[in-house]
Amino acid sequence: EVHLVESGGGLVQPGGSLRLSCAASGFTFSSYWMKWVRQAPGEGLVWVSHINPDGSITNYADSVKGRFTVSRDNAKNTHYLQMHSLRTEDTAIYFCATDLRLPPNYWGQGALVTVSS
Amino acid sequence: QSALTQPASVSGSPGQSITISCTGTSSDVGAYNSVSWFQQHPGKAPKLIIYEVNNRPSGISDRFSGSKSGNTASLTISGLQAEDEADYYCASFTRTSTWVFGGGTRLTVL
Repeated sequence: EVHLVESGGGLVQPGGSLRLSCAASGFTFSSYWMKWVRQAPGEGLVWVSHINPDGSITNYADSVKGRFTVSRDNAKNTHYLQMHSLRTEDTAIYFCATDLRLPPNYWGQGALVTVSS
Repeated sequence: QSALTQPASVSGSPGQSITISCTGTSSDVGAYNSVSWFQQHPGKAPKLIIYEVNNRPSGISDRFSGSKSGNTASLTISGLQAEDEADYYCASFTRTSTWVFGGGTRLTVL
């Protein structure tokens, strides 16, 4: 059975940092593009970043570029999102997901990040 | 990276058909056939229901169909059922190798 489990969310002050992890199991993690998608409370989905299977290609939404860094460890079947200089508008549930373009498409249940003083 | 434009809400009665539009630009929806649609029930993760404009993943009902004309993609749900009540999002790959979602459409089954 496929599982994507996000962890590392929590409450952080503006300007602070947080690292999210996404642990994958039940599929060949090293073959998949991985995404981070966020959803502010009561709002829509927003693509945040992606990384290719070997980690050599990454890309980011303009709103997080220069502040967030995506990475992966295929030996640990884990995908990461390092977040710096957090802002109140970064408050959201952060989902990790596999490729949005083709099935199979797997999603985690999300990790809540709250940026507040 | 502006969000794709979707209607905020649509509604229909059981058995009817509805269509949700998703309008982008020649840099995203109009650029490739990489348009996907996701269904999200409250408190749940999104679920892929259409990929590459008009393809259904295994296990998705044939009541769901997709199409595209120019910079606008569409999702049609026929034979509406109560369990179709959810939020629906389109997503498109873009010329800058990023992804962009639509703002989402709340479907109410009357």
